[in-house]
Amino acid sequence: RKEVEQDPGPFNVPEGATVAFNCTYSNSASQSFFWYRQDCRKEPKLLMSVYSSGNEDGRFTAQLNRASQYISLLIRDSKLSDSATYLCVVTSTNTNAGKSTFGDGTTLTVKP
Amino acid sequence: GAGVSQSPSNKVTEKGKDVELRCDPISGHTALYWYRQSLGQGLEFLIYFQGNSAPDKSGLPSDRFSAERTGGSVSTLTIQRTQQEDSAVYLCASSRGGGLEQFFGPGTRLTVL
Repeated sequence: RKEVEQDPGPFNVPEGATVAFNCTYSNSASQSFFWYRQDCRKEPKLLMSVYSSGNEDGRFTAQLNRASQYISLLIRDSKLSDSATYLCVVTSTNTNAGKSTFGDGTTLTVKP
Repeated sequence: GAGVSQSPSNKVTEKGKDVELRCDPISGHTALYWYRQSLGQGLEFLIYFQGNSAPDKSGLPSDRFSAERTGGSVSTLTIQRTQQEDSAVYLCASSRGGGLEQFFGPGTRLTVL
């Protein structure tokens, strides 16, 4: 089993739709959680950090469920520009402080 | 510079040759990471440097791969006796500390013929 697992998709949605991605992680000692966005043939860029209390940034909402060991990303009112691959990132500090594990990503395509 | 820089941006080499890839992290960032990404695949962790601590080399795929970070700043990833399966984009990232937001460079696209 992979340390971080994501549904690869692809998710194909119309503009204006709401879409949600989940990511599960296996290491209960994980401390930091992030969502990154990667456009085709580009480097990943931070979308948002994920806090225990959940956090929202405009149309994007991230949530953490430690008991079930998953994080989620909700995108409301999807735009064409949201088309990208979304990477879930988990950092564990029990063995290798600061080492991050990336999920393989979920691909989103928003269509007109 | 404002961001992480990597050089070269593209490298084409012949099987069996050695290559060196360079990463200049953001000034003041103590953590530096190397990843590899094959076409259509996720990021594969290679190595992680944090300050003056011994690097975490657990992701290096073979002893043909090595990396160093001089003076806590610039890092070089060396691949000896390259193989075709080494072809990928090699990404470098830095952060202010372990477990914090990582800023990625544009990557080096390596093609081994």
